[in-house]
Amino acid sequence: DADVTQTPRNRITKTGKRIMLECSQTKGHDRMYWYRQDPGLGLRLIYYSFDVKDINKGEISDGYSVSRQAQAKFSLSLESAIPNQTALYFCATSGRTSEIYNEQFFGPGTRLTVL
Amino acid sequence: GDSVTQMEGPVTLSEEAFLTINCTYTATGYPSLFWYVQYPGEGLQLLLKATKADDKGSNKGFEATYRKETTSFHLEKGSVQVSDSAVYFCALSRTQAGTALIFGKGTTLSVSS
Repeated sequence: DADVTQTPRNRITKTGKRIMLECSQTKGHDRMYWYRQDPGLGLRLIYYSFDVKDINKGEISDGYSVSRQAQAKFSLSLESAIPNQTALYFCATSGRTSEIYNEQFFGPGTRLTVL
Repeated sequence: GDSVTQMEGPVTLSEEAFLTINCTYTATGYPSLFWYVQYPGEGLQLLLKATKADDKGSNKGFEATYRKETTSFHLEKGSVQVSDSAVYFCALSRTQAGTALIFGKGTTLSVSS
């Protein structure tokens, strides 16, 4: 089984709809991240969480919110989706044992299309 | 602020050709450097890493050396295979441990037989 899972894998929605992307991990890591990938732009950080009570904005947090329901779960919400939020979204984790390297482990991604 | 610049693609090579993908960075302090690879339809996987100057990361025939004097971390492979076709991302971690990675824009590699 995959260590970092994301649901759904693909989603098509309409402008103005609320949508939630979910991420779960079995690696026992305390740190979790949400990125979005756009062609030609690489990955950009949306939000990150160092533990259940510590959530931080990344460089492109506007229009998004997150919830860290448990150490293993980190959800990303789009309160009112708009077409320029069409992208590939990745969840990632890192743990204290890899702290000095900051190595991150990525989920398979969620492809979101907003019409 | 910190940033990563990598060569734009796509890079198209024949099987067994030599590969170089250039990566340079701007950062305060002493970041750790990474190369991630994304195969079609998959998430990112760590390919190799280096944590201090002159370190060489290597994996699956790929190598990269952390050059502080030129702020570079170029990816090389002596003989590419069709299965190496993927998108390659150079990334750095900020000096504070545990903060998120900063990625380059990615370089698409296409290898033909």
